[in-house]
Amino acid sequence: GAVVSQHPSRVICKSGTSVKIECRSLDFQATTMFWYRQFPKQSLMLMATSNEGSKATYEQGVEKDKFLINHASLTLSTLTVTSAHPEDSSFYICSASIRGKSSGNTIYFGEGSWLTVV
Amino acid sequence: LAKTTQPISMDSYEGQEVNITCSHNNIATNDYITWYQQFPSQGPRFIIQGYKTKVTNEVASLFIPADRKSSTLSLPRVSLSDTAVYYCLVGDSDSGYALNFGKGTSLLVTP
Repeated sequence: GAVVSQHPSRVICKSGTSVKIECRSLDFQATTMFWYRQFPKQSLMLMATSNEGSKATYEQGVEKDKFLINHASLTLSTLTVTSAHPEDSSFYICSASIRGKSSGNTIYFGEGSWLTVV
Repeated sequence: LAKTTQPISMDSYEGQEVNITCSHNNIATNDYITWYQQFPSQGPRFIIQGYKTKVTNEVASLFIPADRKSSTLSLPRVSLSDTAVYYCLVGDSDSGYALNFGKGTSLLVTP
């Protein structure tokens, strides 16, 4: 299957600072990428959808000024958590959409990034 | 987006076949059905996708009845390493089914 890579896999930052998480599609071009957040023992929550070259579409309740998403190329999307606070500590997962030749879109996920804000 | 309903948890012994059924009564004509597996602290892994009837790959089978209001993921001869959370998602091909995850099914495989 297609490979989606996230970096870093784990990051610890101080409260009030910003941290950037990268998501790359390694062997395909992804016109659409998605960002999710997952708290322990809970399901994934979609935060935003980003299309290459355009502004991201955020889900209701997700602060666009706090979670900055940039999708500058067909293989890279970044999520920047600005002015991070301890409640932002979570597992962040990206995914990329690839259109199948004879089927619907299939979405492949990155390995996830653990963010801990201290 | 079609809402899905799955059992919260299932238990199985090694070597058994496990069938996880997902209900999606409001599935739309353009929607595909996709199943993912997730281990703790990892991103979901694609298992199988289908539109109707039966789909089989090297790890699982997906059974979809004619009305498409449900689907069943079949895992043959599970092992301990199949202990994970399994998610069923439906959505159309154009939107990429943005993936509103339900709670998933937590499968526990024991010796």
